[in-house]
Amino acid sequence: GAGVSQTPSNKVTEKGKYVELRCDPISGHTALYWYRQSLGQGPEFLIYFQGTGAADDSGLPNDRFFAVRPEGSVSTLKIQRTERGDSAVYLCASSKSRTGELFFGEGSRLTVL
Amino acid sequence: QKEVEQNSGPLSVPEGAIASLNCTYSDRGSQSFFWYRQYSGKSPELIMSIYSNGDKEDGRFTAQLNKASQYVSLLIRDSQPSDSATYLCAVTAGSARQLTFGSGTQLTVLP
Repeated sequence: GAGVSQTPSNKVTEKGKYVELRCDPISGHTALYWYRQSLGQGPEFLIYFQGTGAADDSGLPNDRFFAVRPEGSVSTLKIQRTERGDSAVYLCASSKSRTGELFFGEGSRLTVL
Repeated sequence: QKEVEQNSGPLSVPEGAIASLNCTYSDRGSQSFFWYRQYSGKSPELIMSIYSNGDKEDGRFTAQLNKASQYVSLLIRDSQPSDSATYLCAVTAGSARQLTFGSGTQLTVLP
């Protein structure tokens, strides 16, 4: 596809469950970012990949959050033991080269009941 | 203190007027500055980037940067109802590749 693809677009789960969110970046984009956005707030940085490795995971809130990008393309954000406070829109973005010029997917809306 | 500050608005301007959106940042090492537009229920999209002091114009949009004052702004000339959205200011600092976003300013252009 031409843009960043994220699945699922909506996910409703129960407190304590495990969740996986997938991101397929724009072809040729080596940098991949995960952000999350709560209502009325700007996106909050979670993790950045350059190729297969996590170059900066300083935004992950705790060890329940983990992300992988095993082949340098598709990435999966994994959340264990979900909490109601994890409810947000999780945004994935990719970039070809220039820092900060990100192309965002439409997001995965996570609701934890 | 938040790293990137924006007035949350809402800011309302009549159609055809100039909309002025402002942003301040706290890290003097910040090097790259961006404006993203976010329509309700949609994801952010990049509309302007600026890397050096002064003005940068792109169509109806002008970004202004003053590093001494740690201030960046976005002017939208001849505002249209389709410009109604939340405008997010974002900054990168030093060698960091991550963007830090402000909370956004909600703009409404009245027909």
